[in-house]
Amino acid sequence: GQQLNQSPQSMFIQEGEDVSMNCTSSSIFNTWLWYKQDPGEGPVLLIALYKAGELTSNGRLTAQFGITRKDSFLNISASIPSDVGIYFCAGRRAGSYQLTFGKGTKLSVIP
Amino acid sequence: DGGITQSPKYLFRKEGQNVTLSCEQNLNHDAMYWYRQDPGQGLRLIYYSQIVNDFQKGDIAEGYSVSREKKESFPLTVTSAQKNPTAFYLCASSQNSGEATDTQYFGPGTRLTVL
Repeated sequence: GQQLNQSPQSMFIQEGEDVSMNCTSSSIFNTWLWYKQDPGEGPVLLIALYKAGELTSNGRLTAQFGITRKDSFLNISASIPSDVGIYFCAGRRAGSYQLTFGKGTKLSVIP
Repeated sequence: DGGITQSPKYLFRKEGQNVTLSCEQNLNHDAMYWYRQDPGQGLRLIYYSQIVNDFQKGDIAEGYSVSREKKESFPLTVTSAQKNPTAFYLCASSQNSGEATDTQYFGPGTRLTVL
């Protein structure tokens, strides 16, 4: 199955900095999801996006559904040490029950 | 508490042995999924089930088998035919409403190591 192109692969940032990551696909999706995974745990849903152009926030997190429906980005503002983890994007095509996942962005926050 | 449970958290098996991973959910979700995760990789779909007594192969079903006899349970068997079974296995479920808002929620995972 196809995987989404997620970038960057990893990031090292200072505490307090803002973070941006994105996912792109050659296919159109009608749903974009962003998950966070802590080491040894299952992914936890952060934000779900259902409409092209939609901009949704969850605390310090903001995600957008690209207007072409082929991309999405996630921003984290004022990062803190507990933001450390792997962030995954996932997309679902219209009429499909399956999700396609990116390979993840590993975030490290330096106190 | 509502959620998805997977047991055990860590599992060790000898090469050539079959092993069954448990997944239970009390969210009243119709659909359940099994994913495999390898280091530095995204999640790859092994099997999924949209309804009781029905399941479909995902992208990497070879060497795995599943059953869905009850709505709340979706066990995964890793057979000896799976050539590289050591991985982190994740179970997920969703309402299966068919709507775009249908979202998958994950269990805590089982780390399988084959010696």
